[in-house]
Amino acid sequence: DQQVKQNSPSLRVQEGRISILNCDYTNSMFDYFLWYKKYPAEGPTFLISISSIKDKNEDGRFTVFLNKSAKHLSLHIVPSQPGDSAVYFCAAGGSGGGADGLTFGKGTHLIIQP
Amino acid sequence: DTEVTQTPKHLVMGMTNKKSLKCEQHMGHRAMYWYKQKAKKPPELMFVYSYEKLSINESVPSRFSPECPNSSLLNLHLHALQPEDSALYLCASSHDKRTTTDTQYFGPGTRLTVL
Repeated sequence: DQQVKQNSPSLRVQEGRISILNCDYTNSMFDYFLWYKKYPAEGPTFLISISSIKDKNEDGRFTVFLNKSAKHLSLHIVPSQPGDSAVYFCAAGGSGGGADGLTFGKGTHLIIQP
Repeated sequence: DTEVTQTPKHLVMGMTNKKSLKCEQHMGHRAMYWYKQKAKKPPELMFVYSYEKLSINESVPSRFSPECPNSSLLNLHLHALQPEDSALYLCASSHDKRTTTDTQYFGPGTRLTVL
């Protein structure tokens, strides 16, 4: 049973426009969420995170929104740049605090078109 | 500095070989992790070490044996692997904070091929 779902395997966005990547989760025990960017044969690179006590976190071009009642989060990238083309993973951590394995979604392949 | 290093970058081994993967971080993190990632799949948690003690083992077969010699190092000893164990093995570390988001930082991974 998938606890973290990214239902769009791929997304094409024109350069300069907004990219919106979506993620849904089913486990209400998750209390923090992270977005990672990944290139093939490389490790995930941390982008941005959000705690369940917040509904928005912003860092430069990246903003993450959390709707806890809908168990939904999204990553907004604006403006989108060619270097943003990669696979984006949504990940969730539990409420135990401290060292806790992350549960990842299947990823969304973002393609930024010139 | 948020660097986690892993060696080797690539490893090819036979089913009877014994090999080890190594991971190192110097960020003062007290939690370290091993994940396995197959092609076109998300990373899957294998082991978690917290303050050099194994705290989570996700029912990983005994042919994978983790070791945490000190707070900066994490090893994964491999023995009698199967071809289906071929994957990208990712190491990560985090502060192990208990009050807020505990961001995990990943290394570049070791691409393992079992023949």
